[in-house]
Amino acid sequence: EVQLVESGGGVVRPGGSLRLSCVASGFNFDDYDMTWVRQAPGKGLEWVCDINSNGASTGYADSVKGRFTISRDNAKNSLYLQLNSLRAEDTALYYCARAAGGSSSPYYYGMDVWGQGTTVTVSS
Amino acid sequence: DIQMTQSPSSLSASVGDRVTITCRANQSISNYLIWYQHKSGKAPKLLIYASFSLQGGVPSRFSGSGAGTDFTLTISSLQPEDFATYYCQQSYTAPWTFGQGTRVEI
Repeated sequence: EVQLVESGGGVVRPGGSLRLSCVASGFNFDDYDMTWVRQAPGKGLEWVCDINSNGASTGYADSVKGRFTISRDNAKNSLYLQLNSLRAEDTALYYCARAAGGSSSPYYYGMDVWGQGTTVTVSS
Repeated sequence: DIQMTQSPSSLSASVGDRVTITCRANQSISNYLIWYQHKSGKAPKLLIYASFSLQGGVPSRFSGSGAGTDFTLTISSLQPEDFATYYCQQSYTAPWTFGQGTRVEI
């Protein structure tokens, strides 16, 4: 079964750090670009960042640039998100998702596999 | 950044109704338009890519259309399991931006 399972969420104080993990199974992880998408309470979906299949290229939303770092370990079928300098507005459910397309147009076909999400709460 | 605007923000409908949701981009995105269904507490589900192509396993009552800046998601006959929030997303250029969502309620 194709699956993504996130972990690592929790409650952290403003300015704190957290590391999220996403473990993939059921597909060749190193063939796919991966992304993190979040949903703040009562809000819509917001793309956070992505990474290409070999980890050499990354992209970030302006709202997290310089504070969050996406990485992956293809040997462990794992995706990571390091969250630093956390703010209250980073409170959200964080999803990892797979870009459905191949290397030429990874996002043309959308994000076809999603995890259940892990919750990050930033509060004093 | 490309801005995506959905309308309406919410709608009330009955089982069997035909439902239409619109999505507008603030610049042309060709056919680089994705639709997702999201139920509370569950992972978002990819419905349609490239404006009108149905993802495998998605019922044929779902359809998409449009190109350029204006797009539509149609549910031809609403079923009980279709009550959810629907999001459009442009896949034309990063940052990948979503519409604000349309909540479909009973």
